[in-house]
Amino acid sequence: QKEVEQDPGPLSVPEGAIVSLNCTYSNSAFQYFMWYRQYSRKGPELLMYTYSSGNKEDGRFTAQVDKSSKYISLFIRDSQPSDSATYLCAIILKAAGNKLTFGGGTRVLVKP
Amino acid sequence: DGGITQSPKYLFRKEGQNVTLSCEQNLNHDAMYWYRQDPGQGLRLIYYSQIVNDFQKGDIAEGYSVSREKKESFPLTVTSAQKNPTAFYLCASSSDNALWDNRYEQYFGPGTRLTVT
Repeated sequence: QKEVEQDPGPLSVPEGAIVSLNCTYSNSAFQYFMWYRQYSRKGPELLMYTYSSGNKEDGRFTAQVDKSSKYISLFIRDSQPSDSATYLCAIILKAAGNKLTFGGGTRVLVKP
Repeated sequence: DGGITQSPKYLFRKEGQNVTLSCEQNLNHDAMYWYRQDPGQGLRLIYYSQIVNDFQKGDIAEGYSVSREKKESFPLTVTSAQKNPTAFYLCASSSDNALWDNRYEQYFGPGTRLTVT
């Protein structure tokens, strides 16, 4: 079993729809949770960062963490074609030298 | 402009040759990382360094080597011992000031696409 699981997609939605992305993880000791966006042939860019259960909002993006279920989510409201990218969840186990463990990424296509 | 630079963007090599990928950052970050990304897959950690002159193996270090002689620079050498070197290589850095600002996020460079034939 992988430490972080993520559906590879592709997830295709019409412009303006809500995009819902999820990751599950196996190690309950994971403490810090991030979402990265990666456009084709580019480096990932950090979108959201959180370390507590609950919701965190930043503009059109909402990150949600449920530590009891070991489940994290990213919601994108009012999706735009420019949101078409691969979204990677990443989790840190603080005791492991702050190494990031990545999910495999979900490819998202927002159709105009 | 503050950031991470990787060069070159595309690199082609013949099988059996060693090749060195460059990574430079001017963010004054203590920690630097090298990842490998294969098509349709997430990132896998090759090596990381939390301080100058010190580095640790990641999950897939075999066939790779690194050095950290300067805070700003963390070059990666892909040796001929790496069985399947064709991939997208990403360098990242992070502040190691987590003790007082609780921030662990990593920032990535644009990547180098290595093709070995």
